[in-house]
Amino acid sequence: DAGVIQSPRHEVTEMGQEVTLRCKPISGHDYLFWYRQTMMRGLELLIYFNNNVPIDDSGMPEDRFSAKMPNASFSTLKIQPSEPRDSAVYFCASSWTNYGYTFGSGTRLTVV
Amino acid sequence: AQSVSQHNHHVILSEAASLELGCNYSYGGTVNLFWYVQYPGQHLQLLLKYFSGDPLVKGIKGFEAEFIKSKFSFNLRKPSVQWSDTAEYFCAVNAGNNNDMRFGAGTRLTVKP
Repeated sequence: DAGVIQSPRHEVTEMGQEVTLRCKPISGHDYLFWYRQTMMRGLELLIYFNNNVPIDDSGMPEDRFSAKMPNASFSTLKIQPSEPRDSAVYFCASSWTNYGYTFGSGTRLTVV
Repeated sequence: AQSVSQHNHHVILSEAASLELGCNYSYGGTVNLFWYVQYPGQHLQLLLKYFSGDPLVKGIKGFEAEFIKSKFSFNLRKPSVQWSDTAEYFCAVNAGNNNDMRFGAGTRLTVKP
């Protein structure tokens, strides 16, 4: 199994641009999570899905952030418009029920 | 909602020293507990997990953790650290009936050769 696959690995964009982060979970996992990691705030849960349905998006910072999971093998996290304070590493993770998560390698986002 | 506290922000040890990293959680019901490690520039990897049974859990790379229910704690230990253990360590908890995992702030471990 290739694990959780995230793309791109690095993204540099200008303030105001739209950014789309992608995640392919492990086949058979029924949960998918998006986390953001910064030095100041640590790991923050943004949103999670169960069987492609968003369960809790209370961690999504603002309306500029949106996430979708159109099918069991793909999810996106979109920021529109992006701001410098969105700079962080964004991790996707998947799991089967609650038996622990497998994390992707992350996307390092820099907004200039 | 559950929360997780890791009181040590940065721990510096010499090789062969013993390690104990503290983790406390706040949730009164059944919990599942985890420790993850993040090596520099990498993603989080699962070290060990506790669901039920023996409260002393053994993980990979010689790590172990003990669940003490009365103290709401799940401390991570290793008898003799190596330089390659330099990383950030995260404690995490989710309530037994959901999969919403909360992470502690992390403890950075530096092992001096």
